[in-house]
Amino acid sequence: DGGITQSPKYLFRKEGQNVTLSCEQNLNHDAMYWYRQDPGQGLRLIYYSQIVNDFQKGDIAEGYSVSREKKESFPLTVTSAQKNPTAFYLCASSPRDRGIYEQYFGPGTRLTVT
Amino acid sequence: GIQVEQSPPDLILQEGANSTLRCNFSDSVNNLQWFHQNPWGQLINLFYIPSGTKQNGRLSATTVATERYSLLYISSSQTTDSGVYFCAVGGTSGSRLTFGEGTQLTVNP
Repeated sequence: DGGITQSPKYLFRKEGQNVTLSCEQNLNHDAMYWYRQDPGQGLRLIYYSQIVNDFQKGDIAEGYSVSREKKESFPLTVTSAQKNPTAFYLCASSPRDRGIYEQYFGPGTRLTVT
Repeated sequence: GIQVEQSPPDLILQEGANSTLRCNFSDSVNNLQWFHQNPWGQLINLFYIPSGTKQNGRLSATTVATERYSLLYISSSQTTDSGVYFCAVGGTSGSRLTFGEGTQLTVNP
């Protein structure tokens, strides 16, 4: 089955700890994205990558870091510098050929930091 | 950056009713998508529609790019249609999306 997987579904951490969220896709998409969703709000872009070994900051990159060493993987690290890390995190991917950028989303990870 | 406004913010319907959700955006777009977020948080792709009209069963969408708006029509609504509907747009690069705040739809039996 082709798709996007995120693990774990729920994650609990103590304040001051870094935590890495996993995102894997087997759709052979070039581009991958990380979004954050707070209760009752829309999604906001954290980081995105259009090609392996390259990534750009989105609108709310402070306190987050990413890597893109493989086409199918785009892990997100929430660092202790992120002031309000508790949120729902969604990963997406899209093709980049023929000018079509339709994004597809994984099931998300709910992070709670106390 | 591009601004995206969705209306109405909340909508309550009786099963079987029809509805129209609107998305206004502030600049030219090369990507426009409609999503349904289910109660578990999963975003389900409804339409990829930077321009024109598409239909899929009881749902249809129209984007008038020159006037910077898109409409999502839901006909004969069912309780399973409940959830949040998001419009998201991408600018000239097409790649990154800006989301609206969503429309919370509740369909009562």
